[in-house]
Amino acid sequence: AQSVTQLGSHVSVSEGALVLLRCNYSSSVPPYLFWYVQYPNQGLQLLLKYTTGATLVKGINGFEAEFKKSETSFHLTKPSAHMSDAAEYFCAVRRANTGGFKTIFGAGTRLFVKA
Amino acid sequence: DAGITQSPRHKVTETGTPVTLRCHQTENHRYMYWYRQDPGHGLRLIHYSYGVKDTDKGEVSDGYSVSRSKTEDFLLTLESATSSQTSVYFCAISESPERGTDTQYFGPGTRLTVL
Repeated sequence: AQSVTQLGSHVSVSEGALVLLRCNYSSSVPPYLFWYVQYPNQGLQLLLKYTTGATLVKGINGFEAEFKKSETSFHLTKPSAHMSDAAEYFCAVRRANTGGFKTIFGAGTRLFVKA
Repeated sequence: DAGITQSPRHKVTETGTPVTLRCHQTENHRYMYWYRQDPGHGLRLIHYSYGVKDTDKGEVSDGYSVSRSKTEDFLLTLESATSSQTSVYFCAISESPERGTDTQYFGPGTRLTVL
């Protein structure tokens, strides 16, 4: 069975500081991994995804994530936080190779950015 | 932005009353999904559809039913609403989730309160 764990329900950083949101997954087969962002009163928007190939994935708004199979992790980073990055972030996993449609979401991490 | 609308956007109802939420898409995507979002749980799949009149259950389907009579519309019905169904409901669409690289696009959400 697949599962996703996001470490920290809330993360607070200062504007200009590094953003690091942690995600660990469990999957019996190689996974496809996703990060979504949700701004207040809106739906989820895809930030980036890992499917195959390069393990460092770049997404929108300056975010990137690195797939580390040995650590079963897919942490999201951004070198310098902006006030506009304040939102909730969800990590998600989908089973690869054998197909399947179900996407499992983590509980979410709310990012606060202090001026 | 993917053309997904949800109606109503907000609803307050009383325990025991029926409620129907509507999702409408203009993308002609084959798959449509209903999720609920609750604090600490991320998004959980209620039901999904893989074509007109073709639907199946997700992980939290008890107390919910769905219908899809047209490609563009996916209805979620709470036959007899309970307070535990107070939540934010999101519709999502995707083209072909049998390809793991498939991306889900989300609607803006419906906030439902059951008193």
